[in-house]
Amino acid sequence: LAKTTQPISMDSYEGQEVNITCSHNNIATNDYITWYQQFPSQGPRFIIQGYKTKVTNEVASLFIPADRKSSTLSLPRVSLSDTAVYYCLVGSLYNFNKFYFGSGTKLNVKP
Amino acid sequence: EAQVTQNPRYLITVTGKKLTVTCSQNMNHEYMSWYRQDPGLGLRQIYYSMNVEVTDKGDVPEGYKVSRKEKRNFPLILESPSPNQTSLYFCASSLFPASGGEGEQFFGPGTRLTVL
Repeated sequence: LAKTTQPISMDSYEGQEVNITCSHNNIATNDYITWYQQFPSQGPRFIIQGYKTKVTNEVASLFIPADRKSSTLSLPRVSLSDTAVYYCLVGSLYNFNKFYFGSGTKLNVKP
Repeated sequence: EAQVTQNPRYLITVTGKKLTVTCSQNMNHEYMSWYRQDPGLGLRQIYYSMNVEVTDKGDVPEGYKVSRKEKRNFPLILESPSPNQTSLYFCASSLFPASGGEGEQFFGPGTRLTVL
């Protein structure tokens, strides 16, 4: 079971780019890396997913090095509404693996 | 609207009184899962299901039961709740198998359970 390690918390200011790194040394060949965002008292919401190299969508980018033992979520020009907990998740439905969310990173965006 | 619904949203009960938290999704997803969330521990998977009548234990299954008789519903059953099951519970569903990547899990709004 591939577990993940993330910083407990991060602070940023509005308009800055934020990079959150996740370590997953035991990632398996079939595992994908997925990031979720969670606001208080709400269910997590999908942000981005990738397998290798770089993935970009309208809200974030995901950078995955060749060895795939870590990944970095990049949020461009954050706003106050980006204050939330961000979870890095490693797993594979194809192998019926269980998903491990970890404790997440609490991002606090200041004005 | 594509969604995962859970009921009830809030529940206060007493030790030993059986309860069921319902979960339903309208996206025809095959994969469904239950998580509990506790302060400092993140989300931990309780049970998951790959399809009707196919379920398996997650990381913290003790004290819980599930069933998957219909594709859209995945109830969580606490036969004899105890105070250590006081938590915030989330149901999730996803399309399985997802083409390419693993797709995303859609989460319900959560059920806050207090066991006295």
